[in-house]
Amino acid sequence: ETGVTQSPTHLIKTRGQQVTLRCSSQSGHNTVSWYQQALGQGPQFIFQYYREEENGRGNFPPRFSGLQFPNYSSELNVNALELDDSALYLCASSGSVAAGELFFGEGSRLTVL
Amino acid sequence: SQQGEEDPQALSIQEGENATMNCSYKTSINNLQWYRQNSGRGLVHLILIRSNEREKHSGRLRVTLDTSKKSSSLLITASRAADTASYFCATDLTGANSKLTFGKGITLSVRP
Repeated sequence: ETGVTQSPTHLIKTRGQQVTLRCSSQSGHNTVSWYQQALGQGPQFIFQYYREEENGRGNFPPRFSGLQFPNYSSELNVNALELDDSALYLCASSGSVAAGELFFGEGSRLTVL
Repeated sequence: SQQGEEDPQALSIQEGENATMNCSYKTSINNLQWYRQNSGRGLVHLILIRSNEREKHSGRLRVTLDTSKKSSSLLITASRAADTASYFCATDLTGANSKLTFGKGITLSVRP
């Protein structure tokens, strides 16, 4: 186990709703990255947070937003959910912003109906 | 878009055999990493190789990197049924700080 915890593990929403996913990083890690993994695909980078600021963003629309708190935990918020947002959302923590080893949580499985 | 392209897409071997998985990428990298994912779960880091390294070992894992061919291979020796999982290569692209770019993955099945 990596020490990265995510909640909730599974959730179902309907199109147009909003969702908040949460992540607690591994002890001592100040950097959190979020990835979206569609079924049968590899993870796609959404964004990274370092010391409560966004530090890099992938090709995702503004309705994907995030926060990082002083204890380095993080939230991913998605507004106006679309069917294609159905995916496994993975949080990963690391000890620095450099793209070294990432420690992943077990993910939050989002289904949008 | 996905930078890393793994090959083959699926691999089925007998327990005790070696498994070789390949990854190709398109642009220059700082490092290349391999991750493992059991069905529907989080990814586990296996090994990282830097652009100035050619080979690394970790237990039953051997990774090679050929930057001239923009390719890497992951060898799992003496495979076990517990090695059954999806394997992903991930590249840290030069100039793309803070993110890893993952391929689509290889599904490895090890038959007991």
